[in-house]
Amino acid sequence: GDSVTQMEGPVTLSEEAFLTINCTYTATGYPSLFWYVQYPGEGLQLLLKATKADDKGSNKGFEATYRKETTSFHLEKGSVQVSDSAVYFCALSSSPGAQKLVFGQGTRLTINP
Amino acid sequence: EAQVTQNPRYLITVTGKKLTVTCSQNMNHEYMSWYRQDPGLGLRQIYYSMNVEVTDKGDVPEGYKVSRKEKRNFPLILESPSPNQTSLYFCASSSPSGGSYEQYFGPGTRLTVT
Repeated sequence: GDSVTQMEGPVTLSEEAFLTINCTYTATGYPSLFWYVQYPGEGLQLLLKATKADDKGSNKGFEATYRKETTSFHLEKGSVQVSDSAVYFCALSSSPGAQKLVFGQGTRLTINP
Repeated sequence: EAQVTQNPRYLITVTGKKLTVTCSQNMNHEYMSWYRQDPGLGLRQIYYSMNVEVTDKGDVPEGYKVSRKEKRNFPLILESPSPNQTSLYFCASSSPSGGSYEQYFGPGTRLTVT
């Protein structure tokens, strides 16, 4: 079945550091890929998405590129801020309309001032 | 304001005592889902619904029931809760139209079963 593997956390960085959170997937066909973010005490929010190979999703300074050849969707940001501290989830969907999401285990990110 | 609401937000109960967690969305979405979040496992889908009276099992449906009698509501029912159902539960909704694929999540319900 479909699965998503994220890099182990927690990840702790200093403000303005470069961020990479690795995500690889296993799926049949051509899934849509997502990054969701969960701030403390809140539900998940969609951060960015890509629906086909070589698409780049971007939002709030974060980027991720759908790499079919390496089955990866790594999240990057050039200069993180304290407000980026949260748990980040990589997810995929092979279902029409993406009503069924398969999530990675989540990566907790802490940014120190 | 577009939102998904869940009630209660926190619940402590005892083994075997039936409970219902409610979920409601005001976006006229066709799709709704329930997930549970456990440390190290991410979120796993329990049940989903593609429209009124249409529900199907997700990856971890054992011990749960759902119903979809109205488009806006999708309650999660635990008829005989057990301690292994202690978890953080999220309801989500989405629409297949427009190609956005975004699921909107509620704030979560933290359930403890003793």
